[in-house]
Amino acid sequence: DIQMTQSPSTLSASVGDRVTITCRASQSISSWLAWYQQKPGKAPKLLIYKASSLESGVPSRFSGSGSGTEFTLTISSLQPDDFATYYCQQYNRYRTFGQGTKVEVK
Amino acid sequence: QVQLQESGPGLVKASETLSLTCTVSGGSISSYYWNWIRQPPGKGLEWIGYIYYSGSTNYNPSLESRVTISIDTSKNQFSLKLSSVTAADTAVYYCAGTTPGAGYFDYWGQGALVTVSS
Repeated sequence: DIQMTQSPSTLSASVGDRVTITCRASQSISSWLAWYQQKPGKAPKLLIYKASSLESGVPSRFSGSGSGTEFTLTISSLQPDDFATYYCQQYNRYRTFGQGTKVEVK
Repeated sequence: QVQLQESGPGLVKASETLSLTCTVSGGSISSYYWNWIRQPPGKGLEWIGYIYYSGSTNYNPSLESRVTISIDTSKNQFSLKLSSVTAADTAVYYCAGTTPGAGYFDYWGQGALVTVSS
């Protein structure tokens, strides 16, 4: 099984902050990684696929980078709508999610 | 725009079989891979498996012995059966669509909470 580990688990930030979330895979997954945003009571929403490709309609303040085993999701300037939980997901072999990173108000 | 809607009992007794159906609208059921994903209350996401319109399936190895995903193309529906459930299977169950050649989830249903009672 490929394990996905996100850090931190919780992140306290303010509007306008630059935010970075890290996701590490237990083995190389090339660039087969996606990022999702989930708000309470809602289904996850796809933000990034293939590690760095922005899904249509997603604001450009979201960006993804990395390959192999280490990946990052960056929000360049945090907006009020961005307070949510973020998940990474590998699709190199089967499908596995990270445990999530909650971005909360500082 | 593809839309997905889960349906099925919200309460299942322990040791019985959980059954859910996902109805696809706004797109062809032949155009995507169809997945089930679950999320226990307050916890993270777990992929259960997927099916293609051809009937080919792929399951999470940790659940494979208890999972069956089937598809009815005439009704634009696919279904999940999870046998021998326990309290640990209590979760919001999502159906989701994947574009062929990709492995991420483009489209999601709103989710259905299934509680396993003793």
